[in-house]
Amino acid sequence: KAGVTQTPRYLIKTRGQQVTLSCSPISGHRSVSWYQQTPGQGLQFLFEYFSETQRNKGNFPGRFSGRQFSNSRSEMNVSTLELGDSALYLCASSLDAGPTDTQYFGPGTRLTVL
Amino acid sequence: EDQVTQSPEALRLQEGESSSLNCSYTVSGLRGLFWYRQDPGKGPEFLFTLYSAGEEKEKERLKATLTKKESFLHITAPKPEDSATYLCAFILTGGGNKLTFGTGTQLKVEL
Repeated sequence: KAGVTQTPRYLIKTRGQQVTLSCSPISGHRSVSWYQQTPGQGLQFLFEYFSETQRNKGNFPGRFSGRQFSNSRSEMNVSTLELGDSALYLCASSLDAGPTDTQYFGPGTRLTVL
Repeated sequence: EDQVTQSPEALRLQEGESSSLNCSYTVSGLRGLFWYRQDPGKGPEFLFTLYSAGEEKEKERLKATLTKKESFLHITAPKPEDSATYLCAFILTGGGNKLTFGTGTQLKVEL
């Protein structure tokens, strides 16, 4: 079974631009979550989507947004990029069929903002 | 405030030298405690989920335990390929699938 895939793997953008990252969950998984990982702040939760609806949101500004499609694939968008947005963006998927599901992570998208 | 603290921040072991990593948590309504392993430049790899105090799980050289205040990841006779950052995280009751992570323990196993 294929794992979580994320595209692109690497991105370089300049301040003020916007970026869209894509995540394809494991087949059959219905929940997709996004995390930001930086050396200073570690892994921080951005948001979670289930059945095309945002179910949970972390403490990030409104420049960070996401969506989920009917096939469970998800995208996240960051507008008006800032230097501090440079990070590894990780997507995780889970079945969401029980009280506590395991979340499986993709390889991440490395975003560099210049 | 719900939080999790991992110690030590970094650990250097000789091959075969067993040790334990600590994950202390202060949460109300713990639904699950997770351990992940992360190699440089890669996404976290799932290791274990623990649900209640007293629970233990094992996988090869790793054993995870849970008490009401902390979790331990015991590494028995480690090998160089066990070198990685080990992360613990929790999910709260009513928190959806939001994982709150500790800052990790960076483990280096030398020959």
